[in-house]
Amino acid sequence: DAGVIQSPRHEVTEMGQEVTLRCKPISGHNSLFWYRQTMMRGLELLIYFNNNVPIDDSGMPEDRFSAKMPNASFSTLKIQPSEPRDSAVYFCASSFGGRVENEQFFGPGTRLTVL
Amino acid sequence: GEDVEQSLFLSVREGDSSVINCTYTDSSSTYLYWYKQEPGAGLQLLTYIFSNMDMKQDQRLTVLLNKKDKHLSLRIADTQTGDSAIYFCAERDSGNTPLVFGKGTRLSVIA
Repeated sequence: DAGVIQSPRHEVTEMGQEVTLRCKPISGHNSLFWYRQTMMRGLELLIYFNNNVPIDDSGMPEDRFSAKMPNASFSTLKIQPSEPRDSAVYFCASSFGGRVENEQFFGPGTRLTVL
Repeated sequence: GEDVEQSLFLSVREGDSSVINCTYTDSSSTYLYWYKQEPGAGLQLLTYIFSNMDMKQDQRLTVLLNKKDKHLSLRIADTQTGDSAIYFCAERDSGNTPLVFGKGTRLSVIA
């Protein structure tokens, strides 16, 4: 099992540019989570999906952020336009609701730097 | 809202025991977790405990839960340099609800 796959691993862009982060969850998992990690705020949940449907996007900072999950094996997080304060590590995680402990498996993260 | 608090730093000598503490506010928490994050990597589940338990042991790891005080701790026996990482406490109510994480405790192990 390859685990949760995220791409790119590192992204450096200039303020105002569009950024798209990608995630492939573990096959068979039906829940997907996007988190953002910064030194100041720790790990914050941005949005999560159950069975490809967004359930709670209250953690999305503002309208510049959007997330999609067109099918069970792919999700994107888009920032348009990007700002320096968006610089962080973005994690994707997936889980299978049928398990009692519902362990979330995390991807390696995408480190985003907005100049 | 729900809140999970941890101390930010802990430093121990190799071979000693480490105790990382966590407090949470949500009285309906059903599952409590400890995750480990090594440098440049994602979070990895270490262990979890159900709220109807007060202790769980797994090799060098011991989790203690005081539900009355909403206090969770992780004890690592015989701490090794490879245990140096950030440890996150997390809780959730049930089902596929998201985890609520603390800010993490950075454990440094001194050889």
